[in-house]
Amino acid sequence: ETGVTQSPTHLIKTRGQQVTLRCSSQSGHNTVSWYQQALGQGPQFIFQYYREEENGRGNFPPRFSGLQFPNYSSELNVNALELDDSALYLCASSLAGFSGATGELFFGEGSRLTVL
Amino acid sequence: AQKITQTQPGMFVQEKEAVTLDCTYDTSDPSYGLFWYKQPSSGEMIFLIYQGSYDQQNATEGRYSLNFQKARKSANLVISASQLGDSAMYFCAMRDKIKDRDDKIIFGKGTRLHILP
Repeated sequence: ETGVTQSPTHLIKTRGQQVTLRCSSQSGHNTVSWYQQALGQGPQFIFQYYREEENGRGNFPPRFSGLQFPNYSSELNVNALELDDSALYLCASSLAGFSGATGELFFGEGSRLTVL
Repeated sequence: AQKITQTQPGMFVQEKEAVTLDCTYDTSDPSYGLFWYKQPSSGEMIFLIYQGSYDQQNATEGRYSLNFQKARKSANLVISASQLGDSAMYFCAMRDKIKDRDDKIIFGKGTRLHILP
């Protein structure tokens, strides 16, 4: 079991609403990445935060935004929800962007979002 | 651009048998890293094994081994003596650069493995 915790575990929203997902990174990790996993697909990179700044972004619109706090925990915010935003949102923490070799990227169990 | 291809959407294997999950990749970088992750129904992605492009030997971790064939750009996962607890989704993945650092992972679509008693 990793030290990455996410909340909430499940939630239901309607189109047009806004949602905030939270992630507490593993102790000592200063980098948090967010991934979106649609049903039956592999996770897709949304963005990454390193020392409270966005360090890189995947192909997601600006209504997906994030924050990282001084304790390295992070939030993912999605505005103007669409039906296609229904997915499992995974948070992963690492140290300094895991520019090292092996799998020092630890995932939480995810937040499952359903948009009606 | 980096790409991971997993062509087996699902597999059924008898308990205690060995199983091979296929993965091919595409990259123009001479230096790259390949991963396999396991995702049980709980949703968490569990790291299984890593192979660096310059590693001379195939990676092994307990019952997991990676059959790395660089010329063919394939990185198949072999699970020996399968167990019921191995039933899960398995993802092949590759590191990809952000701002000249290896900072994110791209995933294949996954293979759902069912172990039969």
